[in-house]
Amino acid sequence: GAGVSQSPSNKVTEKGKDVELRCDPISGHTALYWYRQSLGQGLEFLIYFQGNSAPDKSGLPSDRFSAERTGGSVSTLTIQRTQQEDSAVYLCASSLMGAGGTQYFGPGTRLTVL
Amino acid sequence: SQQGEEDPQALSIQEGENATMNCSYKTSINNLQWYRQNSGRGLVHLILIRSNEREKHSGRLRVTLDTSKKSSSLLITASRAADTASYFCASEETSGSRLTFGEGTQLTVNP
Repeated sequence: GAGVSQSPSNKVTEKGKDVELRCDPISGHTALYWYRQSLGQGLEFLIYFQGNSAPDKSGLPSDRFSAERTGGSVSTLTIQRTQQEDSAVYLCASSLMGAGGTQYFGPGTRLTVL
Repeated sequence: SQQGEEDPQALSIQEGENATMNCSYKTSINNLQWYRQNSGRGLVHLILIRSNEREKHSGRLRVTLDTSKKSSSLLITASRAADTASYFCASEETSGSRLTFGEGTQLTVNP
């Protein structure tokens, strides 16, 4: 079946602009996660959704970052007033039930802030 | 954020040889998962081992878990050039559902 999909695959933006990154999880998966991978920080957790609620958003680095999930499916990660340090690959993962389950990752969105 | 540790950071071997990667983590866990990453993009799930398991096999992969030492190892037997990739361990803490990743091992298998 279809895996996790993310769009766009690449995004180049200017410092100060807002960006939206989209994630389509595997159908039927109730849990959805956002991570990011950068050269200096490695792979780090951002936020976790169970259904449409986010019981753990402790990884969001600043209030410029927000995310929502609608219909228990698609999620959007929004970064406002982008900074150069936001440049990274943003990875989305989904899991059938959440805790204890395998997390399946999408191909990622490479964000470059000029 | 807390990161696990992996060693070696880089490993270069010949086709047919075995590759062993080690991982340490810091907290109590539900499970530990191993992933492969090619070209710095999506992570491919390899194997999940639960905290009450000590060893697990999948094809040419063998994973061990020692919760008393908070460590895990991934063994790839009879390696192939196509196994060339970065390998990450990721621990799921008992306090939640997030994964905490190790720094990764870059494996190069020479034909």
